[in-house]
Amino acid sequence: NAGVTQTPKFRVLKTGQSMTLLCAQDMNHEYMYWYRQDPGMGLRLIHYSVGEGTTAKGEVPDGYNVSRLKKQNFLLGLESAAPSQTSVYFCASSYSWWQGEGQPQHFGDGTRLSIL
Amino acid sequence: AQSVTQLDSQVPVFEEAPVELRCNYSSSVSVYLFWYVQYPNQGLQLLLKYLSGSTLVKGINGFEAEFNKSQTSFHLRKPSVHISDTAEYFCAVRDGTASKLTFGTGTRLQVTL
Repeated sequence: NAGVTQTPKFRVLKTGQSMTLLCAQDMNHEYMYWYRQDPGMGLRLIHYSVGEGTTAKGEVPDGYNVSRLKKQNFLLGLESAAPSQTSVYFCASSYSWWQGEGQPQHFGDGTRLSIL
Repeated sequence: AQSVTQLDSQVPVFEEAPVELRCNYSSSVSVYLFWYVQYPNQGLQLLLKYLSGSTLVKGINGFEAEFNKSQTSFHLRKPSVHISDTAEYFCAVRDGTASKLTFGTGTRLQVTL
């Protein structure tokens, strides 16, 4: 019963490098989300997806891109990493509202990313 | 637009003492409310949720929360805390059929002997 799995768990990048964070869920959830967590700022939504093949911008989308080619996977890309993107990144997923009211989000354990 | 306010960024408390973590929200429609807990170096886990019905909601680890519509609050309480409750707690709100949650900035509960 894996739930939401994020890879990698840790990564150090140099400024200007690119990378992709992978999120996989095995709960057949329609919705998937990427957040970043910074001290004193709680969780901020980067991008989200309400179904396979769809994505939408969240609160802080600049510098990130996402893709949802398969229902179970949600990829977060950094095209040219910057020190301001040093953060802990969390992926989450949930059922859609039509699958049941008040569905909570389920979270992965996070990816700790440092940009030097 | 909905928003969530957790006024207390840190709450220190002695073991076996009661605790209340405050959460206020603003929304123009009916809402679903959640409390999540984050232990160090882990993701968020659902503590409890309010969907409808009884305003007193019981969750895991002995926590409970009360929904107060007139005061737009959803405060989290525990009558006797344990060292293992040391963690960060997040309140979140979801409007009706909305696909997104709005999170508060979190409250760090520090339990000491």
